[in-house]
Amino acid sequence: KAGVTQTPRYLIKTRGQQVTLSCSPISGHRSVSWYQQTPGQGLQFLFEYFSETQRNKGNFPGRFSGRQFSNSRSEMNVSTLELGDSALYLCASSLGRAYNEQFFGPGTRLTVL
Amino acid sequence: SQQGEEDPQALSIQEGENATMNCSYKTSINNLQWYRQNSGRGLVHLILIRSNEREKHSGRLRVTLDTSKKSSSLLITASRAADTASYFCATDDNNDMRFGAGTRLTVKP
Repeated sequence: KAGVTQTPRYLIKTRGQQVTLSCSPISGHRSVSWYQQTPGQGLQFLFEYFSETQRNKGNFPGRFSGRQFSNSRSEMNVSTLELGDSALYLCASSLGRAYNEQFFGPGTRLTVL
Repeated sequence: SQQGEEDPQALSIQEGENATMNCSYKTSINNLQWYRQNSGRGLVHLILIRSNEREKHSGRLRVTLDTSKKSSSLLITASRAADTASYFCATDDNNDMRFGAGTRLTVKP
């Protein structure tokens, strides 16, 4: 089985722009979760989607949004980028709820200048 | 916000030695998981222990869970240079998955 894929792998944006990141889960996995990882805050949970519905959301501002498509692929969007949004964004998929074993993608490294 | 806190923050050992990392958390959980992350890459699931389990083994890994103390430990026996990575505990409390800050393990050959 192919693993979780994330595109793009690297991204450079400037403040005020918006960005869309994509995640393709392992075939058959219906749960997709997104995390932000920074040196200062560590791994922070953004949101979880299951069958196109957002099930849980972390403590992030409304500039962070996401969606899941019928084929379980997921996108996350960050609008009005700030310098502090520079981070590694990780996507993880699992069979059922996110609380089972999660399989992580390699991440998208976002740099905001 | 983070739920788990790993201890120590960094650990340096010689190949062949055992490495022990600890994780403490704050709320009741359904399960606790340990993940490994090599520098700047995605996380790899190591082991999951449910709240009604006390100990679990997987190869050279041994995980314990003490729900009364809200703590878990990960023991890596006979460490190898390839075990050099950051190790995170993650807790599930039915709301979301929360990761600790991680322990950076360095295994010197």
